[in-house]
Amino acid sequence: SQTIHQWPATLVQPVGSPLSLECTVEGTSNPNLYWYRQAAGRGLQLLFYSVGIGQISSEVPQNLSASRPQDRQFILSSKKLLLSDSGFYLCAWSREVSGTDTQYFGPGTRLTVL
Amino acid sequence: GDSVTQMEGPVTLSEEAFLTINCTYTATGYPSLFWYVQYPGEGLQLLLKATKADDKGSNKGFEATYRKETTSFHLEKGSVQVSDSAVYFCALRMNTGFQKLVFGTGTRLLVSP
Repeated sequence: SQTIHQWPATLVQPVGSPLSLECTVEGTSNPNLYWYRQAAGRGLQLLFYSVGIGQISSEVPQNLSASRPQDRQFILSSKKLLLSDSGFYLCAWSREVSGTDTQYFGPGTRLTVL
Repeated sequence: GDSVTQMEGPVTLSEEAFLTINCTYTATGYPSLFWYVQYPGEGLQLLLKATKADDKGSNKGFEATYRKETTSFHLEKGSVQVSDSAVYFCALRMNTGFQKLVFGTGTRLLVSP
């Protein structure tokens, strides 16, 4: 069976510090990978998606970036965090990018920027 | 653009009450529709889905029917339990090419014993 891991589970960082969140998927190959953010009181917003190693598409321009150094690894980064980056970050994977395929979500990372 | 509208929460019910959480959508075509559930402190789990009009998704006693004529996908359960307390997200995704999941803002359900 497939599993998706995220770490850390929680993170408190000062404004202006760097960020690195990691997501890995087990039990499948060539997954499509996604980063979402859930801000307080709001729905989920797609930040990045990737259909293969080194292939990253950005949905929302911001001070975050994503990388996919290995097939089943997806990293979300920032050089300098802003207060507005606080939120719950969710990684997800799917087998296909078509509309009928299901996205499976990881447990999430709660980021607080102070 | 495509969008999903959910009823405002929180929805507060007593155990064994009937649940309805309304969801309507706006889309240029015919999307797949999803309900995800988020338990406290956890990520999202797929609850059910429907990929075409008149399909009924069901899981764990929850049901939702894809109504093209009313562009709706309301979530229902006949008898809620305390363990159903969570945030429920309705979402859509178009069926051609890459299309992102478009989520509603979520509806918090609180079930008391």
